[in-house]
Amino acid sequence: LAKTTQPISMDSYEGQEVNITCSHNNIATNDYITWYQQFPSQGPRFIIQGYKTKVTNEVASLFIPADRKSSTLSLPRVSLSDTAVYYCLASSTGGGNKLTFGTGTQLKVEL
Amino acid sequence: GAVVSQHPSRVICKSGTSVKIECRSLDFQATTMFWYRQFPKQSLMLMATSNEGSKATYEQGVEKDKFLINHASLTLSTLTVTSAHPEDSSFYICSADANLAGGSYEQYFGPGTRLTVT
Repeated sequence: LAKTTQPISMDSYEGQEVNITCSHNNIATNDYITWYQQFPSQGPRFIIQGYKTKVTNEVASLFIPADRKSSTLSLPRVSLSDTAVYYCLASSTGGGNKLTFGTGTQLKVEL
Repeated sequence: GAVVSQHPSRVICKSGTSVKIECRSLDFQATTMFWYRQFPKQSLMLMATSNEGSKATYEQGVEKDKFLINHASLTLSTLTVTSAHPEDSSFYICSADANLAGGSYEQYFGPGTRLTVT
């Protein structure tokens, strides 16, 4: 399982764009990068997943360079409700895959 | 998307008693479910992999006789914390593998169960 490294915490203000980077130098060829969001006392919630280049959905964008050794989660115009812990994981999408959660990034959004 | 539920959402029990936590996939079948434990201010730690119809696979350091896992159907896995002690107090989260269109899988997480042992 590829190990991921993220900043422990980030601070931002409402309306700003937030970019959280994740390093995964030893990512395997068949691994995808998945980001989860977790609020206190709740289970993680899937945000976005990608393999390479750029993926965008209604809540975020994921940028993955050609070497795939890192990725960046981009949250446009954050609000107070985006305050949460964000986890980056690298794993295959086959069944029965064990996920290894790193420390995650605590994002704090203020007014 | 797929929904995973857990019951109860929170439970308080006395030291020495056993507690059962249920994890259900509501609108899909899951051959594999996972159980995690999360202490305050810490990340999720995988405890075991629950396989329907077979024995669970436990991570290193997790006592299989203390944390009993039963995956009796394709929509239900249970975790029983036996002879609970205060140090077992934690947030327990399950996830279930959903087979998506195209053959890939995605894990969906339950809302978690807060266990407090007094």
